[in-house]
Amino acid sequence: GNSVTQMEGPVTLSEEAFLTINCTYTATGYPSLFWYVQYPGEGLQLLLKATKADDKGSNKGFEATYRKETTSFHLEKGSVQVSDSAVYFCALSDPQAGTALIFGKGTTLSVSS
Amino acid sequence: EPEVTQTPSHQVTQMGQEVILRCVPISNHLYFYWYRQILGQKVEFLVSFYNNEISEKSEIFDDQFSVERPDGSNFTLKIRSTKLEDSAMYFCASSGGGEEQFFGPGTRLTVL
Repeated sequence: GNSVTQMEGPVTLSEEAFLTINCTYTATGYPSLFWYVQYPGEGLQLLLKATKADDKGSNKGFEATYRKETTSFHLEKGSVQVSDSAVYFCALSDPQAGTALIFGKGTTLSVSS
Repeated sequence: EPEVTQTPSHQVTQMGQEVILRCVPISNHLYFYWYRQILGQKVEFLVSFYNNEISEKSEIFDDQFSVERPDGSNFTLKIRSTKLEDSAMYFCASSGGGEEQFFGPGTRLTVL
């Protein structure tokens, strides 16, 4: 079946450091891939998405590229800020399986100044 | 900016009691979802709802769970007889039909 695996946290970085959060997936069809972010006390917000192989999603300085050959969708940011501290969730949606999102466990990012 | 709201933010109940978790989706959305996250585990899909009926459900969504849209604004999740293992964060989401789902802040359910 479909599944998402993302790197365990927490990830602790200093401001302006480079961020990578790894995400790999297993899917029977051709899924769309997402990164959601959850700030303290808030709901999950869509950060970026990619719907087909080699697409790059980007938003707020974050990027992720849909890599079919490695079944990966790693999240990167060149220079993190304290305000990026949050929990990040990788997710997929497989149209062949319905509209439900399948999530990874989430990775907590903590950025200090 | 429209948002999904959920009440209560935290619910404590005794094992065997019924609980109702409430959600107000974004007003012009047509698709509604419930997910849950047990502490330290993945966010898991429970059920989706469209056109006043369940469109998909997971294995978790057994007979003790039910959903309802009692009026034009609320979307509820009822757990008939809570178990200890139902303790989790429950997220409601809604969608206008595209791929993006908009999530509420969650209700933390604690079953004692």
